[in-house]
Amino acid sequence: QLVESGGGVVQPGESLRLSCAASGFTYSNYAMHWVRQAPGKGLEWVAVVSSGGDSSYHVDSVKGRFTISRDNSRNTVDLQMNSLRVEDTAIYYCVKTDCDSTGCRLMDFWGQGTLVTVSS
Amino acid sequence: DIQMTQSPSTLSASVGDRVTISCRASQNIDTWLAWYQQKPGRAPKLLIQKASILESGVPSRFSGSGSGTEFTLTISSVQPEDFATYSCQQYHVHVTFGQGTKVEMK
Repeated sequence: QLVESGGGVVQPGESLRLSCAASGFTYSNYAMHWVRQAPGKGLEWVAVVSSGGDSSYHVDSVKGRFTISRDNSRNTVDLQMNSLRVEDTAIYYCVKTDCDSTGCRLMDFWGQGTLVTVSS
Repeated sequence: DIQMTQSPSTLSASVGDRVTISCRASQNIDTWLAWYQQKPGRAPKLLIQKASILESGVPSRFSGSGSGTEFTLTISSVQPEDFATYSCQQYHVHVTFGQGTKVEMK
């Protein structure tokens, strides 16, 4: 199970921290992703972190503003979002992959998502 | 970046119809393609990986085919629970998704 939290309504330039709690599998064995979906749009990959948390990548549009991290002692993965923009408005999904490195890109289990709205 | 283009954007079907959704990659992705099903308010669900490998528990009326740049998702006989949006994803180089195909009731 993957349960996201932390979404909400913020103004442009503000920050939010999303969190995802994992259960039901050996969390520390798998890389984790965040994927988002803007209203009426397709899915967009945002970031990935390796199983050990030592490697991560972010899509160019969020580099320098968003940071993915994980805590294997608490089975959580977070997305720190700073300097939010209107175009960051989306449902953010926490997603499990099928292996341990940041090169693992098959997304085999998804959370329900949390809505982030950036509006003035 | 590899672009993924799905067609059609919307498809109207009746229960029992055979449905085909296409997905085209802007460059060769071999068979590194997945298909997901998404229902309103629900998490996306992985249906098919490696272009044609059905995930455990997915009904056999779903099938995938293709390689290189052209791929197809087929539902052999649409059931009421299949009305949803279907998205393809390439995972050959980074990750990109198609824009989705909504299968709606005629």
